[in-house]
Amino acid sequence: SQQGEEDPQALSIQEGENATMNCSYKTSINNLQWYRQNSGRGLVHLILIRSNEREKHSGRLRVTLDTSKKSSSLLITASRAADTASYFCAPPRDTGRRALTFGSGTRLQVQP
Amino acid sequence: GAGVSQSPRYKVAKRGQDVALRCDPISGHVSLFWYQQALGQGPEFLTYFQNEAQLDKSGLPSDRFFAERPEGSVSTLKIQRTQQEDSAVYLCASSLEGVRIGELFFGEGSRLTVL
Repeated sequence: SQQGEEDPQALSIQEGENATMNCSYKTSINNLQWYRQNSGRGLVHLILIRSNEREKHSGRLRVTLDTSKKSSSLLITASRAADTASYFCAPPRDTGRRALTFGSGTRLQVQP
Repeated sequence: GAGVSQSPRYKVAKRGQDVALRCDPISGHVSLFWYQQALGQGPEFLTYFQNEAQLDKSGLPSDRFFAERPEGSVSTLKIQRTQQEDSAVYLCASSLEGVRIGELFFGEGSRLTVL
């Protein structure tokens, strides 16, 4: 089954800087989602981008999708200490399957 | 409740014991998922329900793992004869839709430690 793989595995930046996380996946998708997880908590949905969209914005988040390269990126602008968390991309597990699959995530540390 | 509720939040079991983990999804949500998350890793898919039907259980690691959702609402994940490698956080998620893949709402998880 396919799995989203995030890059880098860890990222440390200063408050106010932008953070970019990348994701690669293997098979064709209808949409791709991004989630955030604070330490010891459940995952929280950030954004869903459909295969016919190349870019989507939500507040300080910007997500891109390149289906030809099977890749996506998540940009967090003007980062805050509260953005410190793990971020996961979540493509569908397999074509035709309903579950999402998650990689190991990008652990983002925003220094105040 | 307003969100997905899981219980217990923490469970310590001796190796060989059976455990049962409960998930209360958001009312009206058709789809329910169980994931297993080891320390430092992303969630791994275990099983998926659409209403009371278990449509995908291909992620269950062994026949010691069993899940049910008999009335299409509350779900229970049961692990028999627990082993140390079962130690993980078990996450439940629900989704409103049953056909399209939509946003998943996750619970806080049940952290299982097997001694």
